[in-house]
Amino acid sequence: SQQGEEDPQALSIQEGENATMNCSYKTSINNLQWYRQNSGRGLVHLILIRSNEREKHSGRLRVTLDTSKKSSSLLITASRAADTASYFCATAYTGGFKTIFGAGTRLFVKA
Amino acid sequence: DTEVTQTPKHLVMGMTNKKSLKCEQHMGHRAMYWYKQKAKKPPELMFVYSYEKLSINESVPSRFSPECPNSSLLNLHLHALQPEDSALYLCASSQLGQANVLTFGAGSRLTVL
Repeated sequence: SQQGEEDPQALSIQEGENATMNCSYKTSINNLQWYRQNSGRGLVHLILIRSNEREKHSGRLRVTLDTSKKSSSLLITASRAADTASYFCATAYTGGFKTIFGAGTRLFVKA
Repeated sequence: DTEVTQTPKHLVMGMTNKKSLKCEQHMGHRAMYWYKQKAKKPPELMFVYSYEKLSINESVPSRFSPECPNSSLLNLHLHALQPEDSALYLCASSQLGQANVLTFGAGSRLTVL
């Protein structure tokens, strides 16, 4: 399968703590994206990192990409209860429209 | 307008019914997608249209029939579905190009009885 694996599957933290989610993928990619999904709703794009980038920041989000290990991580700093959601990495394959999602991490942030 | 609108939000149908899911975007995106998502699973790609032509069909059963009448609309026609087809069906669109960032609709929750 081209799908990436994510860990942990679920993560429960207190408000104010940092949350780190990891993603691995299997083949060469064009870019890697992270999406967020609130329960039973559509996905929202958070951040994109290109294959030639190693780190990217957006507000409280920090994404890293290690193409030699075929892995990425998403760090959410100073988490809030409103960050409770599922987070998916997604890889877009060179030359196509195929965006494939990883298994996802369910994040619970307790107030 | 940065939205993808899906209708209906909820649909209950019998195995012999014919129904359709609809998706609309006015962002000028020329690629549109259908994904299927089961509970606690990631979205699975079903179909991709680019410039109103079907470019990817991920071996989806023929009881699902996509249609792209114009650059703003995407339909998914449903016929003779099975209970295991019950899922959240997500429509998305994107600009054509290397980045392929997807804008999703809120989804249509389908229940097949």
